[in-house]
Amino acid sequence: NAGVTQTPKFQVLKTGQSMTLQCAQDMNHEYMSWYRQDPGMGLRLIHYSVGAGITDQGEVPNGYNVSRSTTEDFPLRLLSAAPSQTSVYFCAASGDWDTEAFFGQGTRLTVV
Amino acid sequence: AQKITQTQPGMFVQEKEAVTLDCTYDTSDQSYGLFWYKQPSSGEMIFLIYQGSYDEQNATEGRYSLNFQKARKSANLVISASQLGDSAMYFCAMRDNNNDMRFGAGTRLTVKP
Repeated sequence: NAGVTQTPKFQVLKTGQSMTLQCAQDMNHEYMSWYRQDPGMGLRLIHYSVGAGITDQGEVPNGYNVSRSTTEDFPLRLLSAAPSQTSVYFCAASGDWDTEAFFGQGTRLTVV
Repeated sequence: AQKITQTQPGMFVQEKEAVTLDCTYDTSDQSYGLFWYKQPSSGEMIFLIYQGSYDEQNATEGRYSLNFQKARKSANLVISASQLGDSAMYFCAMRDNNNDMRFGAGTRLTVKP
């Protein structure tokens, strides 16, 4: 099983550009989340979803949008990239609130 | 609001010895789950162990055990018989049924030969 797949793995953007980070899971899990990890720090929750059609904000939602039209996909949109959004982004999926989250391999984003 | 605190930025342990990584949490919910993840230098997130707030026994998974003290709101990870491959970042995380999983700042563990 592929589990959680993130694309792309690496991306360089110019300030002001927009882009979408893709996340797909094949485990039929209801919970999906996006995190960012800055150097030497923990993961901070950007947005999450508890099922198709339902999304909510996490700790650091500003500058990001999400939607969840299917169980499988949970894309993260950067509206107007800023250097402060340079980070590693992780997508995760879990079956329920009390079960482990499975993580994608991460997307390393650099905004110049 | 949830808060996860890991007070040890870095820890050293001698190979084959045990080490305890500290984690405290804060939540107003009665139902919640506590998780530990390992992040090696390659960057992937590896799930280690889970403890539910209503579990009466401390969780164990091989060389990993979780020292859960509910009244003190602590969920410390104990790694027994440390190996060189245990050198990594370790993150404590919590999720209750009103929020999604949130992480502490992490502890960098270095195992010395």
